[in-house]
Amino acid sequence: DTAVSQTPKYLVTQMGNDKSIKCEQNLGHDTMYWYKQDSKKFLKIMFSYNNKELIINETVPNRFSPKSPDKAHLNLHINSLELGDSAVYFCASSQEGLEPGNTIYFGEGSWLTVV
Amino acid sequence: AQTVTQSQPEMSVQEAETVTLSCTYDTSESDYYLFWYKQPPSRQMILVIRQEAYKQQNATENRFSVNFQKAAKSFSLKISDSQLGDAAMYFCAYRIPATGTASKLTFGTGTRLQVTL
Repeated sequence: DTAVSQTPKYLVTQMGNDKSIKCEQNLGHDTMYWYKQDSKKFLKIMFSYNNKELIINETVPNRFSPKSPDKAHLNLHINSLELGDSAVYFCASSQEGLEPGNTIYFGEGSWLTVV
Repeated sequence: AQTVTQSQPEMSVQEAETVTLSCTYDTSESDYYLFWYKQPPSRQMILVIRQEAYKQQNATENRFSVNFQKAAKSFSLKISDSQLGDAAMYFCAYRIPATGTASKLTFGTGTRLQVTL
C-alpha cells in the first residue's frame, strides 16, 4: 500500500484553468505538507496542516488554496493557472514528535504542465 | 534563516566504487535533524538516511553512511559499492524539531549522481 498517494500524477492544462491535486496518507500522521519542485529541481514548502489546521503558509499566490477535510487528506486547488505554475507538486506527511528524526515522507509527486 | 548548500551540481562514480556527496548548512540552532533524500528519474522522493544532531555517532544504512561534523556544519553522504540504481538526484535537507507545530524541511539544490560501468 502506498503511504502517501497523490492524484493525478500527470496533468496538462491550459492557462486560466482551475485544477486540483488530491493527497491522502495512510500512515496515521497528523501533519501534511505541499512542496513545489520547480524546473531547476529546487524544492520549497508551500503549506503545512496539522490536524486540519493551517500552520505553515509560505509566500504563495492567493490562487493556491489548500484544503484539509481531515488529517489524512490534504488537497491543493489552483485557480487561474499560469505558465509559471508548471512544476512537480509533492504532498508529504509526518507525525510530529514521534517519527524518528521527525521524518517527512513524500508522495510520488504530481507533474503539472500549463500550456 | 537556515540554508543548506550542496556545492557539487553533478558527480560521477564507477560501479562498485565509493563516492562522497557534500553538504553544508547554516543554523543557529543546537538541536536539529539532517536528511539525505534520493530522487530517481521517477521523481519520487525517497529517504536515504537521517541524522539527529544530538547524536555524535554517524548514521549508517547498509551502503550509505554520513560524516556529520557538527562544529563545521557539514553533513556528507558516502555511498559505498555504488550500483547503477544509485543514479539519481540527491538532496540534503535540514529540519528543526517541531514543538507543537510543524517545522519545514529546508533543501539544498541537489547533486546529480551518475553511475558508470
